[in-house]
Order: sequence, then structure tokens, then C-alpha cells
Amino acid sequence: SSELTQDPAVSVALGQTVRITCQGDSLRSYYASWYQQKPGQAPVLVIYGKNNRPSGIPDRFSGSSSGNTASLTITGAQAEDEADYYCNSRDSSGNHLYVFGTGTKVTVL
Amino acid sequence: EVQLVESGGGLVQPGGSLRLSCAASGFTFSSYEMNWVRQAPGKGLEWVSYISSSGSTIYYADSVKGRFTISRDNAKNSLYLQMNSLRAEDTAVYYCAGGNWFDPWGQGTLVTVSS
Repeated sequence: SSELTQDPAVSVALGQTVRITCQGDSLRSYYASWYQQKPGQAPVLVIYGKNNRPSGIPDRFSGSSSGNTASLTITGAQAEDEADYYCNSRDSSGNHLYVFGTGTKVTVL
Repeated sequence: EVQLVESGGGLVQPGGSLRLSCAASGFTFSSYEMNWVRQAPGKGLEWVSYISSSGSTIYYADSVKGRFTISRDNAKNSLYLQMNSLRAEDTAVYYCAGGNWFDPWGQGTLVTVSS
């Protein structure tokens, strides 16, 4: 199956901007979606498609993509944004249907 | 309120079987593709299986192919995962998630495979 690689951890000062990246060959063919997971909770969809936010997701979350890299940007990070973030896309290898990224722990300082 | 509620998890010995259920409410379940996703303790998310809205198209991750079976009953607004020949490495929280963008998610049910 394809792989989606993310940096294990990033930190951001309160109110500043952080970009989380996701790299993989499947991203050349498919859009990524992004999920926020807080400890002990189920993941929550925050970005899908080209750059779409589900109802209730703050507009400080945005997505972008270029080549084999998708990015999730949090502009003006808040304390409640501290969480694990996972990317996901269809699997271009044909073996699996979907693949999740390795996950990034975001710490808000 | 859109809701998915998983059940059926528990402790099972290696080689044993479990059947997970996912009850849907608050949306038109029969129109939604559905997925199972699992998360081993302290690890990341792993896609497990997919089923189309009608149930006619099914996919599995290589790690579970031949051992797990996904199914659904649209009349009962329910999704299932039959898990056979369970291994220690299948220990995880199992989530059901709706749609091709994995929204919504259930709260998860813990499966522990241990002797």
C-alpha cells in the first residue's frame, strides 16, 4: 500500500501559525482529508477535498496541496488546537482503498 | 443528531472471534459508504475495511484480509465487522466512520486479544 508521511511533532506559540505536512505518492492523484484527535476521543474531520471545512470547524483551519504534499495550516493557533492530526487519502497503489498518515502531535505553547 | 455507536468489543483469546456492530442514527445510513478504522494503543490510525452504500463493493486492508468480514443492514441502520482468527496485533480501538471523507465517527470500541 502507499504511505503518507507526517512529521511526528510540531509546536506553535499561542496565536501563531503552524503548518502540518503530509507526503505521499497518492497525493499526486487524490485530495487529502485531515482529522484532529484529542486524547481519549474519536477523530474529527477538519478539512476535506480541495480546502473544505465541515460545519462547526473554525476558519483558522485551512488546507492546501502541491505535488506529493498536502498541508494543514492553523492560523492563530488556540490552546484547544493541541491534539494529534492525521492526514488521509485514497491509496493510489491499488492494494488498499484508503491510507492514513503517520500522525503529527501539535503542541501549543 | 448525527450519531454512530459501536458495540461488541471485549477481551478475546488469540484465535478467537468477535462481531462488532455500529448503530447509525440522525442521517440516511443507506446512502452512506462506511468504513472501519482501528487504532492500536498509543499508535496511529489504520484503515481496516470499506463497504459501499448498497453493500455491493467491499475492500479490506491486507492485514485483515481473509480474517475479517464487513457487512451492513440498511433496514436496521447498522454496520458490522466479523473478526475471526484474532491475533494479538489486532488489539485496538475500532471505530466506524461514515462517508468517503470519514465523517462522522463513532466513539470506538476496544478489542483486546490476549490469553
